[in-house]
Amino acid sequence: GESVGLHLPTLSVQEGDNSIINCAYSNSASDYFIWYKQESGKGPQFIIDIRSNMDKRQGQRVTVLLNKTVKHLSLQIAATQPGDSAVYFCAEIPNNAGNMLTFGGGTRLMVKP
Amino acid sequence: EAQVTQNPRYLITVTGKKLTVTCSQNMNHEYMSWYRQDPGLGLRQIYYSMNVEVTDKGDVPEGYKVSRKEKRNFPLILESPSPNQTSLYFCASSVGRNTEAFFGQGTRLTVV
Repeated sequence: GESVGLHLPTLSVQEGDNSIINCAYSNSASDYFIWYKQESGKGPQFIIDIRSNMDKRQGQRVTVLLNKTVKHLSLQIAATQPGDSAVYFCAEIPNNAGNMLTFGGGTRLMVKP
Repeated sequence: EAQVTQNPRYLITVTGKKLTVTCSQNMNHEYMSWYRQDPGLGLRQIYYSMNVEVTDKGDVPEGYKVSRKEKRNFPLILESPSPNQTSLYFCASSVGRNTEAFFGQGTRLTVV
């Protein structure tokens, strides 16, 4: 079946640098995408979302880019901080599903001081 | 404080002994769902509910039951747990279908 996936399982960056986490999705019927952050021992925490009628959305230090042509989603974190160290998941909801939030496998972000 | 509360946080049980993991949200959300998280498999949806008395299967519903008798509660029931149901379970709720989901802190279940 169709699924959400990630390119890199682990990303290591220097504190203060920008981070880019990528995600490829295969379901062209998806119309809503979310990035979640999961710290050790905690549940996933919402970071930012984007709908399919947009190609970019910015939050505080984070930006999500959506390229529907190549079915690619990315999360950019500016000035990465030690507190950003976590596992990041992209998730999608197809427009033909009730509430089928489908998650990718996750990317671990490690921030070096 | 707006939150999703799961209980228990940790549970060790034996094969075949029925158990229930409770989930409660105080945000008056319509949508609630259950996920399991396993290494290498990520988060997979077990069941979801779009409103009271409305539930539907997710990706991996086998071996699980749910109920939605009240808006705030969405318990996950394992009638006869097996070792392959050892996992980390998360409950989530959201206002609607295309809105962010709020997750509970998780329940780590071990079936021996």
